[in-house]
Amino acid sequence: DTEVTQTPKHLVMGMTNKKSLKCEQHMGHRAMYWYKQKAKKPPELMFVYSYEKLSINESVPSRFSPECPNSSLLNLHLHALQPEDSALYLCASSHVAGGGNEQFFGPGTRLTVL
Amino acid sequence: SQQGEEDPQALSIQEGENATMNCSYKTSINNLQWYRQNSGRGLVHLILIRSNEREKHSGRLRVTLDTSKKSSSLLITASRAADTASYFCATDPRRGSRLTFGEGTQLTVNP
Repeated sequence: DTEVTQTPKHLVMGMTNKKSLKCEQHMGHRAMYWYKQKAKKPPELMFVYSYEKLSINESVPSRFSPECPNSSLLNLHLHALQPEDSALYLCASSHVAGGGNEQFFGPGTRLTVL
Repeated sequence: SQQGEEDPQALSIQEGENATMNCSYKTSINNLQWYRQNSGRGLVHLILIRSNEREKHSGRLRVTLDTSKKSSSLLITASRAADTASYFCATDPRRGSRLTFGEGTQLTVNP
């Protein structure tokens, strides 16, 4: 299984809502990533988990809260988001952390904040 | 500015033609990767070239790397309509553990 799955595919939420994005991989990868991508722009790294521990937080606002319950799952908890947070949120995984490894991406969650 | 910058920003060609995209970067790297993204979808890894390699092939893809000029190119030969996508280079800086993506090239292959 060489697939990274993400749910939901689409999410619309108000600024006072709390929601979560989910990501799963069964490739035995020990590094997982969250990226944010705006239209016609490259993905921007948000968080990196290595062996289930947060290793990189790219100064992301606290309204985004990542969680890695086990080596296969990665969540992104959302609370009190702003309309400018609307974007495609991509999850990725790799064998281990580090830029020298191929990253496998999920299809993304298209988030709209009203 | 971005570690990786690509040109052209957009490229439109006819099916069967070759497509060349370029990527320039600023700092020393361990390797450079190319990814493809179909509209609104996740990225797909195409090829990785290490800093001590000059050229690499994979099917219809040919990647070159010139570390003295801090640049790379991706050539897609005999393009197909299905190659229509955005193409991103991504660099792995020597002093970092993160992958940094370039601005991307939007390729359109017309049938």
